[in-house]
Amino acid sequence: DGGITQSPKYLFRKEGQNVTLSCEQNLNHDAMYWYRQDPGQGLRLIYYSQIVNDFQKGDIAEGYSVSREKKESFPLTVTSAQKNPTAFYLCASSIPGRLLHFGNGTRLTVT
Amino acid sequence: GIQVEQSPPDLILQEGANSTLRCNFSDSVNNLQWFHQNPWGQLINLFYIPSGTKQNGRLSATTVATERYSLLYISSSQTTDSGVYFCAVDTIKAAGNKLTFGGGTRVLVKP
Repeated sequence: DGGITQSPKYLFRKEGQNVTLSCEQNLNHDAMYWYRQDPGQGLRLIYYSQIVNDFQKGDIAEGYSVSREKKESFPLTVTSAQKNPTAFYLCASSIPGRLLHFGNGTRLTVT
Repeated sequence: GIQVEQSPPDLILQEGANSTLRCNFSDSVNNLQWFHQNPWGQLINLFYIPSGTKQNGRLSATTVATERYSLLYISSSQTTDSGVYFCAVDTIKAAGNKLTFGGGTRVLVKP
């Protein structure tokens, strides 16, 4: 089945540690996205990539980094510079400008 | 950037009732999508509807692009319709294909 796989589902880290969230898709989509969702809120765009080896900052990129070395993969690193990293992180992919497909998300807790 | 406002913020329905959710946006759009987020956090795309009307079972959506709003209709609601409904848009003027999300409408359908 085609889809987007995010792992792990739950992640716990100590403050000051970097952590990398995985996102893999087998939909052959060029575009991939990372969104953050805080409790009771909408989604905010962190980074997006429209093609391999290229990515752009979204609305809340500070404290995050990404890479896009393969079409299928778009990992997100939450660095120690991110002041409030505890959140629900959602990865998505699409044919650019068309329907967005989401993974099941990773819940990150930093203490 | 573009502003996306959804109303009402919360909606409680009796099973079998009909309802209308609204999404207002502040600029011309070339992409508008509706999503349903279930209680486990999964986001499911419902409609890609930058203009016109579409129907899928008990759900339908209408976008009036010239007046900058979209409506999502739920008919004969069921308890499985509970969750949060998001509208997301992309503007004609923006560089890159990236969706901006509204704050969502939280729906609870009671048996």
